[in-house]
Amino acid sequence: SAVISQKPSRDICQRGTSLTIQCQVDSQVTMMFWYRQQPGQSLTLIATANQGSEATYESGFVIDKFPISRPNLTFSTLTVSNMSPEDSSIYLCSVTGGNDQPQHFGDGTRLSIL
Amino acid sequence: SQQGEEDPQALSIQEGENATMNCSYKTSINNLQWYRQNSGRGLVHLILIRSNEREKHSGRLRVTLDTSKKSSSLLITASRAADTASYFCATDENRDDKIIFGKGTRLHILP
Repeated sequence: SAVISQKPSRDICQRGTSLTIQCQVDSQVTMMFWYRQQPGQSLTLIATANQGSEATYESGFVIDKFPISRPNLTFSTLTVSNMSPEDSSIYLCSVTGGNDQPQHFGDGTRLSIL
Repeated sequence: SQQGEEDPQALSIQEGENATMNCSYKTSINNLQWYRQNSGRGLVHLILIRSNEREKHSGRLRVTLDTSKKSSSLLITASRAADTASYFCATDENRDDKIIFGKGTRLHILP
C-alpha cells in the first residue's frame, strides 16, 4: 500500500494568512484527494487532484479559497487561503490503490486559526 | 455531499463485549469501506467489501453488506480498550473513484 507523507503535521496561523500543505506519495498515482475534517465531524471531500489538469472541486469548495497544485504523479499541494477561524480543521490527503482498492490516507495536517 | 449515515453516533460498551455499528447509503456502489480514526489522527483502512459480497471477516472484525437495503454493518467482537476510536464507512458514490464518508460512530470501550 502507498505511503503518504503530509507536511506540516500541524500549524497555528493568523487570520487572513494562507498556508500550503504538502502531500508526497511513495509511488505514482493518477488521482489524489483532499479532505477537510472539522472538529468532531466526519471527512468532507474538498477536491480531486489530477496530474496535468485542474482539480475538480466539490460543491461548496472553490479554487480561490483552496487552490491545488499537482505538478507530478507523486506530489500535490493544497493551499488554504485568507484563513479564518472557521478553517480550523484537519486536512487530509489520500490516494486510491485502483479499482476496488481502498484509499490510503496521510496522517493529516491539524490547522488552527487564531 | 454526505453519502453514508452511521448509527449509532456514539457507543459505549464494556471491554470484552461486541460492538455493532451500522451504515446506510443512497446510491449504487462498487464497494463500501470501513475506516478507523484514533483521536483525530489519520485514517486506518479496516475492510473493503465489494457490492457482490455479502460478508467479510478480518480478525475480530466482521462486515456485512445488504445492497437491497443499501446498508452495511461492522461488528467488532471481544472489544478491547485499543478499539476506542471513531469508525467511518465510506462508499464510492455512483461508482466513482472518489469516496464519500458517513458521519461516523464514536466508540468508547470501558475498562
